[in-house]
Amino acid sequence: EAGVTQFPSHSVIEKGQTVTLRCDPISGHDNLYWYRRVMGKEIKFLLHFVKESKQDESGMPNNRFLAERTGGTYSTLKVQPAELEDSGVYFCASSQEPAGGYEQFFGPGTRLTVL
Amino acid sequence: AQSVAQPEDQVNVAEGNPLTVKCTYSVSGNPYLFWYVQYPNRGLQFLLKYITGDNLVKGSYGFEAEFNKSQTSFHLKKPSALVSDSALYFCAVRDTRGATNKLIFGTGTLLAVQP
Repeated sequence: EAGVTQFPSHSVIEKGQTVTLRCDPISGHDNLYWYRRVMGKEIKFLLHFVKESKQDESGMPNNRFLAERTGGTYSTLKVQPAELEDSGVYFCASSQEPAGGYEQFFGPGTRLTVL
Repeated sequence: AQSVAQPEDQVNVAEGNPLTVKCTYSVSGNPYLFWYVQYPNRGLQFLLKYITGDNLVKGSYGFEAEFNKSQTSFHLKKPSALVSDSALYFCAVRDTRGATNKLIFGTGTLLAVQP
């Protein structure tokens, strides 16, 4: 079974540019989460999809961040325009709750560097 | 406030010795607790969880964790450390506020096992 995949693995952009991160969850997982780790700090929740619906976007920093999950499959997270403080590692996770036992399966992350 | 604390940024242990990585939590209601490990250039990998039942939970790679409700702790343990256990370990608790199962993470503990 394929795991959670994320693309790209690394992205280096200039301040003010736009970047789109993609996450492909494990097939059949309805729940998809985005998290971010900034500068060696704790990993923080950004938002949660159930299928194509946003269940909780309380962790989104501001309106420069836009997440979508068209058709309830893969998800994209767009940052426009990017700022220096957006640098960090963005993780995506998927789960099947509660049947799957609540653990979330994480992708390898996208390391975003804003210069 | 709901939170997770990992008081040690780094734990050093000699190969073959027992290891403990500490975690305490603060959450309302019954905690769902998780340990994840991140190897270099890899994503977060699920190790084990406590949802209910026996306070001693066994997980992958010989790791175990003990849930202690009175001390609000969920320390990760292994009887005999391997050099290959060297990695970054994250403790997490399910946020009981709201309707989603988003996770609250600690800042991570770097485990260094010396040969």
